[in-house]
Amino acid sequence: GEDVEQSLFLSVREGDSSVINCTYTDSSSTYLYWYKQEPGAGLQLLTYIFSNMDMKQDQRLTVLLNKKDKHLSLRIADTQTGDSAIYFCAESTSGTYKYIFGTGTRLKVLA
Amino acid sequence: DAEITQSPRHKITETGRQVTLACHQTWNHNNMFWYRQDLGHGLRLIHYSYGVQDTNKGEVSDGYSVSRSNTEDLPLTLESAASSQTSVYFCASSAGQGQSYTFGSGTRLTVV
Repeated sequence: GEDVEQSLFLSVREGDSSVINCTYTDSSSTYLYWYKQEPGAGLQLLTYIFSNMDMKQDQRLTVLLNKKDKHLSLRIADTQTGDSAIYFCAESTSGTYKYIFGTGTRLKVLA
Repeated sequence: DAEITQSPRHKITETGRQVTLACHQTWNHNNMFWYRQDLGHGLRLIHYSYGVQDTNKGEVSDGYSVSRSNTEDLPLTLESAASSQTSVYFCASSAGQGQSYTFGSGTRLTVV
């Protein structure tokens, strides 16, 4: 079945880089997403990557996709206190509009 | 501006009562989804709809139902609320495959 896993917590110092990891099991996933959830709010799309890409960069965000290992990562450069939030990866598969979400990683940025 | 709104934001109900959570979107999206968020489980899909009169069960649909009588609304009903249904509920919508979800702000439901 489909399963998306993430580590639950990550703590980094302000100005350092953060790397949030995600593993998935559905090799037919066509789109992979990263969402950010701030306290008391819904999820907001950060970035996404098509399954035929290896890397995508968007300002401070870098997404790496290793299809062989079914591993997705999100790197945040120069992490700021405003980046403290829960980060979810999600996959969607060709032929379906629904996402499977990971468990979420709570990022804490220390000043 | 288009938006997706959930109501109420917070609700406390008693075990055994029927509860309905509202979701309304003005994006004109065909696809709508209900998820619940629980610590350690992330977001789990309850029900979803790909258009008017279409509804489908997700991975945790037991005890929940939805109906889709128009494009804008997908209300979620808990037939007989149980303590295990205490959670934060999120509604989302999307235009189609590969299109990102737009999320509501969530409803925190407590069943006592």
